[in-house]
Amino acid sequence: ILNVEQSPQSLHVQEGDSTNFTCSFPSSNFYALHWYRWETAKSPEALFVMTLNGDEKKKGRISATLNTKEGYSYLYIKGSQPEDSATYLCARFNQAGTALIFGKGTTLSVSS
Amino acid sequence: NAGVTQTPKFRILKIGQSMTLQCAQDMNHNYMYWYRQDPGMGLKLIYYSVGAGITDKGEVPNGYNVSRSTTEDFPLRLELAAPSQTSVYFCASSYTGSGDTQYFGPGTRLTVL
Repeated sequence: ILNVEQSPQSLHVQEGDSTNFTCSFPSSNFYALHWYRWETAKSPEALFVMTLNGDEKKKGRISATLNTKEGYSYLYIKGSQPEDSATYLCARFNQAGTALIFGKGTTLSVSS
Repeated sequence: NAGVTQTPKFRILKIGQSMTLQCAQDMNHNYMYWYRQDPGMGLKLIYYSVGAGITDKGEVPNGYNVSRSTTEDFPLRLELAAPSQTSVYFCASSYTGSGDTQYFGPGTRLTVL
């Protein structure tokens, strides 16, 4: 089992603030890193799938970077809005490349 | 496409009862997964399947069984329900493995009393 660590566990920001979270993972036998957005009472929705060292992906105000050599990924949200309030999960694949191991998530709360 | 569907949405079981959580996908995905979500613990993989007739254990398989007789369906069976199995269960699917997005169903909230 590979441990995926996310920090901080929770975060509260004001509308308009920019913020970022960290996902750390063992760098050996890397296949891919996934980011998901999970709103309360809904199911997780995919944000990004990142596979290459140095990858940078963007979707609207949300972007992510990947460093597979040192084993971390950052998720950035620019100009946070109340609708960004959710738990953000990262996950990487097990050594066989067959199943995702999830972190516990970072819960973001954005106040207007 | 309906995507990934799960039934039931909610269920209360008594200790020792058995039940099957249904999961179906209409996206012709090869890979299917069962996760459970416990408060403060994130998602834990129970079982997964890489294709019809092929299943394998995840992190927390004890107390569960699965089968994959068709590409579309991946039911999860609880034989003797225990309070420790109170959780929210999510089914997911993807076309291929590591580099592919997983699509999640709406979840089944199970309580064992």
